[in-house]
Amino acid sequence: GAGVSQTPSNKVTEKGKYVELRCDPISGHTALYWYRQSLGQGPEFLIYFQGTGAADDSGLPNDRFFAVRPEGSVSTLKIQRTERGDSAVYLCASSPTGAKGELFFGEGSRLTVL
Amino acid sequence: GENVEQHPSTLSVQEGDSAVIKCTYSDSASNYFPWYKQELGKRPQLIIDIRSNVGEKKDQRIAVTLNKTAKHFSLHITETQPEDSAVYFCASNRDDKIIFGKGTRLHILP
Repeated sequence: GAGVSQTPSNKVTEKGKYVELRCDPISGHTALYWYRQSLGQGPEFLIYFQGTGAADDSGLPNDRFFAVRPEGSVSTLKIQRTERGDSAVYLCASSPTGAKGELFFGEGSRLTVL
Repeated sequence: GENVEQHPSTLSVQEGDSAVIKCTYSDSASNYFPWYKQELGKRPQLIIDIRSNVGEKKDQRIAVTLNKTAKHFSLHITETQPEDSAVYFCASNRDDKIIFGKGTRLHILP
């Protein structure tokens, strides 16, 4: 596809469960970002990848959150022992230029923790 | 840490009037300032951006101004139309990431 693809679009889980959210960036974009957006708020930075490596993970809230990008393309955000406060829309964005130009966002994965 | 403060949080303007949204940033090293529009249930999309080597940029009905000394930048929308109703986010770069403001919900009144 031409744009950033995120799956699942909706995920409902129970407190304490493990979830994985997937992001397929635009082909050729080396920079990949994960953000979290709560209702009525702006996107909150979580982690940034340049190629395969996590160049900046300073936004991850705690050690229950982890993300990988093993081949420099698809990325997976992993959340262990989910809590109700993790409920939000998780946005992925890719860019050919990183923080010097446009971020192309996916439609997001809406996570609801019951 | 880097803060991007945005106001107002909500703005209502009559169709055809102008809208102005203002932001401030804290990191003097920031040199890239994009604005994103997010319609209800949709992804954020870039509408205009400005770099620190210019003070103003215009694209049809939208314009952005930057005051580096004061660390202020603003979005101006003229001749507002119903399709301008959305949430607008200002942002700035810090190192290798983009930091967003909390957003302004713009309502265009008929």
